[in-house]
Amino acid sequence: ETGVTQTPRHLVMGMTNKKSLKCEQHLGHNAMYWYKQSAKKPLELMFVYNFKEQTENNSVPSRFSPECPNSSHLFLHLHTLQPEDSALYLCASSLGDSSGELFFGEGSRLTVL
Amino acid sequence: DAKTTQPNSMESNEEEPVHLPCNHSTISGTDYIHWYRQLPSQGPEYVIHGLTSNVNNRMASLAIAEDRKSSTLILHRATLRDAAVYYCILRRRDSGGYQKVTFGTGTKLQVIP
Repeated sequence: ETGVTQTPRHLVMGMTNKKSLKCEQHLGHNAMYWYKQSAKKPLELMFVYNFKEQTENNSVPSRFSPECPNSSHLFLHLHTLQPEDSALYLCASSLGDSSGELFFGEGSRLTVL
Repeated sequence: DAKTTQPNSMESNEEEPVHLPCNHSTISGTDYIHWYRQLPSQGPEYVIHGLTSNVNNRMASLAIAEDRKSSTLILHRATLRDAAVYYCILRRRDSGGYQKVTFGTGTKLQVIP
């Protein structure tokens, strides 16, 4: 139990569906991250939020839309995805300094049919 | 971003010490060296971090070269539960003062009973 909770743990969706992934932390952290982990590939940083402001968008396609309504919650809205978007999506949080550790959730396993 | 280089895989016998190397020849003075590990079907978990001096905690030790261009994660007695992918990453603030956290491919550690 890391203190970072992701829901749902598993999601299957069609290419025309709209769904959302949710991440929640009550650790008092002010930085939150979305990572994508495809099979046999390194973790890819997608988005970073610091104090609710997006500070990093790592050339992510617009079919992925992040939302950070407050410092404790982070969403990833999904629409018109492709089968190659099937992956494990990981959320993490940290204090906003270089020495603090990242706390990861267990991830949301997404399958796009 | 400064990159890290790790061997793709390593093996260790159970209850033997393990030394996992990481090269980061382009490290900057403000980069912290972090190690994480990812067990199967889980998100990464923090192991240890350091800046210049060697560090010890209950999980492992971190030995940092004097020129900081390399580091070694030391597991003093490997157990089967230590079988995981180990990531060495550098954390820094960018020019805007925000986080950059990029993972490489990591080292897959196999522990042999």
